Amino acid sequence: DTGVSQDPRHKITKRGQNVTFRCDPISEHNRLYWYRQTLGQGPEFLTYFQNEAQLEKSRLLSDRFSAERPKGSFSTLEIQRTEQGDSAMYLCASSYLRPGELFFGEGSRLTVL
Amino acid sequence: ILNVEQSPQSLHVQEGDSTNFTCSFPSSNFYALHWYRWETAKSPEALFVMTLNGDEKKKGRISATLNTKEGYSYLYIKGSQPEDSATYLCASLWGNTPLVFGKGTRLSVIA
Repeated sequence: DTGVSQDPRHKITKRGQNVTFRCDPISEHNRLYWYRQTLGQGPEFLTYFQNEAQLEKSRLLSDRFSAERPKGSFSTLEIQRTEQGDSAMYLCASSYLRPGELFFGEGSRLTVL
Repeated sequence: ILNVEQSPQSLHVQEGDSTNFTCSFPSSNFYALHWYRWETAKSPEALFVMTLNGDEKKKGRISATLNTKEGYSYLYIKGSQPEDSATYLCASLWGNTPLVFGKGTRLSVIA
């Protein structure tokens, strides 16, 4: 087991472009979480899945943000029409049970110019 | 609004010193408390998950306590080493909420 992997690790884009991040969780984990971390702040919850069901999406920052987890395996987080304020580290984590520990990927750092 | 507060925001200690950090959280409907360690350029790693009032957990030189009635947890590091330098994150669960993180305590251990 190679842990949680995220791709790309770094993304630089121009304002107004769309970006997509991918997360591959630990295979036996049924829960998958997306968090965003900005400078000086702790990770901020965005959304999570249990298997393929998205159980909480009200914390997504705007309707420009969307996430999917087809077939309950990998997940994607898409940001449409990026803005400079979207620049942040996007973290993915997975877990097997609640309140079990989260296993984090190394994050995808987004820079919007 | 469910907030997790951590203090101090940052601290510098000398190698060999012992240190501790505080995490406070609303105690109503508490479910679990997590501590994570996040080194620069790496992913956050779980240190402890605690659920019961009075829980004490230990991993090597690091230990943690939990008081769910008053809503706080302490993380202790005994004999700090340069490799302990990291950001220590506290996070809490209540009811059906997702894990809510504090801003972290950034520790620098000076050799």
